Amino acid sequence: AQKITQTQPGMFVQEKEAVTLDCTYDTSDPSYGLFWYKQPSSGEMIFLIYQGSYDQQNATEGRYSLNFQKARKSANLVISASQLGDSAMYFCAMREVLSGNEKLTFGTGTRLTIIP
Amino acid sequence: GAGVSQSPRYKVAKRGQDVALRCDPISGHVSLFWYQQALGQGPEFLTYFQNEAQLDKSGLPSDRFFAERPEGSVSTLKIQRTQQEDSAVYLCASSLVARGEAGYTFGSGTRLTVV
Repeated sequence: AQKITQTQPGMFVQEKEAVTLDCTYDTSDPSYGLFWYKQPSSGEMIFLIYQGSYDQQNATEGRYSLNFQKARKSANLVISASQLGDSAMYFCAMREVLSGNEKLTFGTGTRLTIIP
Repeated sequence: GAGVSQSPRYKVAKRGQDVALRCDPISGHVSLFWYQQALGQGPEFLTYFQNEAQLDKSGLPSDRFFAERPEGSVSTLKIQRTQQEDSAVYLCASSLVARGEAGYTFGSGTRLTVV
């Protein structure tokens, strides 16, 4: 089974509208972290937001918020008031803490295009 | 430097040629990771260092792939006898502490094309 599933290969959104990028995950580790990264055409992965499995509140960072639904194993990224510069690939990733492996496991990504 | 630096930015290799990809992490960062990103895919883990110790190399696809970080700072990923399936972007990431919640800082990657 895929550990990280992103079901939206591509999305087109009007500028200034909010957008939700879906991410579901699969783990038996009770302690894990979830990350979202943005990858513009330049290629680097830019860290956006983090949610720990034991965090009581949903994470927020400026225009980014993470809609964490633990029982459903989903960690959707919400971008409010989208801007043209938000056009990029977006990756959801997970780190399983107790497994002792420090690696991130990534989904296949969603290509977001903001339309002026 | 301020970020993770990778060189070269682009590399074209003839099939069978050996290549070496360099990663210069943020100064003082303990953890260093290599990932392989095929076209249209998410990054896939290759290997992980904590200082100079290679703690996990389970993602290296074959014994043609070798990584080192001899002094706990700069790392080199070497691919011997390159094959066409090795064509990908190779990303390096570093982190101050392995389990920090701030995430990992990635470099811009090296795009390897094997012809």
